[in-house]
Amino acid sequence: NAGVTQTPKFRILKIGQSMTLQCTQDMNHNYMYWYRQDPGMGLKLIYYSVGAGITDKGEVPNGYNVSRSTTEDFPLRLELAAPSQTSVYFCASSYCPRELCEQFFGPGTRLTVL
Amino acid sequence: TQLLEQSPQFLSIQEGENLTVYCNSSSVFSSLQWYRQEPGEGPVLLVTVVTGGEVKKLKRLTFQFGDARKDSSLHITAAQPGDTGLYLCALMNTGNQFYFGTGTSLTVIP
Repeated sequence: NAGVTQTPKFRILKIGQSMTLQCTQDMNHNYMYWYRQDPGMGLKLIYYSVGAGITDKGEVPNGYNVSRSTTEDFPLRLELAAPSQTSVYFCASSYCPRELCEQFFGPGTRLTVL
Repeated sequence: TQLLEQSPQFLSIQEGENLTVYCNSSSVFSSLQWYRQEPGEGPVLLVTVVTGGEVKKLKRLTFQFGDARKDSSLHITAAQPGDTGLYLCALMNTGNQFYFGTGTSLTVIP
């Protein structure tokens, strides 16, 4: 199993450009998450999904959109990139037996907006 | 307002020393997780604690959940360079959303 994969690994955007960060998991997990991590900080939840067709906002959803058409894929869309969105983005999926969820993280996408 | 506060923010110690890092909240939480993150990688789950007063051991790492379930600690015995990384605590709410602390960046010097 590949686990959680993310593409691209690195990207530089100009202000106002748009892009989609891809995330795929092959573990058949229902729950998927997008986080951003700023330097020296913990992770902030952007959006999450409890299953295909269901998404909801996390702590910091402004400027982002998501979709979940399949169990495997959970892309994150930036429509109008801003310097404040410079960060490292992590996708995760989780397995929740008896409400004890274990999250599995992808390797991250480092995004710079200039 | 940060839901979870971690201390210290940075820690640099010599190989072989012991250390303790802390995770505190003003709220009671049902369970708490500890993760380790190495540079350039995503966090990896170390342990989940669910019962007040619970102690779990993972080799040289000892995790404790406070009796009131508002705080937790991670103690490392005889630290090694391989322990270097960012240690994050996280709590999960009833909607399976996770909230992470700010992290403790540990450097173990050989």
